[in-house]
Amino acid sequence: DAGVTQSPTHLIKTRGQQVTLRCSPKSGHDTVSWYQQALGQGPQFIFQYYEEEERQRGNFPDRFSGHQYPNYSSELNVNALLLGDSALYLCASSLLGGQTQYFGPGTRLLVL
Amino acid sequence: GENVEQHPSTLSVQEGDSAVIKCTYSDSASNYFPWYKQELGKRPQLIIDIRSNVGEKKDQRIAVTLNKTAKHFSLHITETQPEDSAVYFCAASMYSGGGADGLTFGKGTHLIIQP
Repeated sequence: DAGVTQSPTHLIKTRGQQVTLRCSPKSGHDTVSWYQQALGQGPQFIFQYYEEEERQRGNFPDRFSGHQYPNYSSELNVNALLLGDSALYLCASSLLGGQTQYFGPGTRLLVL
Repeated sequence: GENVEQHPSTLSVQEGDSAVIKCTYSDSASNYFPWYKQELGKRPQLIIDIRSNVGEKKDQRIAVTLNKTAKHFSLHITETQPEDSAVYFCAASMYSGGGADGLTFGKGTHLIIQP
């Protein structure tokens, strides 16, 4: 049974560029949440997707957007990258009716 | 919104001793409190969680206690071992029949087990 997977593992971009990160949830899970983890900090909630809709959003600007596909996989898009967007981006999957969130290995984004 | 405070930021204990990490939360509507362990360069892994209708939960050497009145919950690790060295995060969220909200995390505690 595959766990949560993310791609790519590492990414380097320059300021002003756009980036797309991908996540495949754990088998049987229907809900995907995205988090940003800056170095030395706890993860911060960006948004959550269920049934291809954004169900809940954290305190992030609309430069951060997402998408969920019918197979429950998800993308995180960040436009107009800033240096401060450099972080580890984590995806977590869960069942909508459940509480436990299982995390993927993350994508480390460096903005130069 | 929810705010989670976690203390201490660093905790060093002798192997075999106990370790306690404490968290407080601000939103009385929060009713689900997981703890994650994150080793360097790896994903956060759930080690134990507790719901607000329970005061304490144990799993072998790990236990979590919750005081809803004080909005306080703690992680207790007994008989610590070198493999317990990692960063530990507490988190809080609200769960209803419609689903679980996103997690609000504390800033983490770096637990160091001294041989």
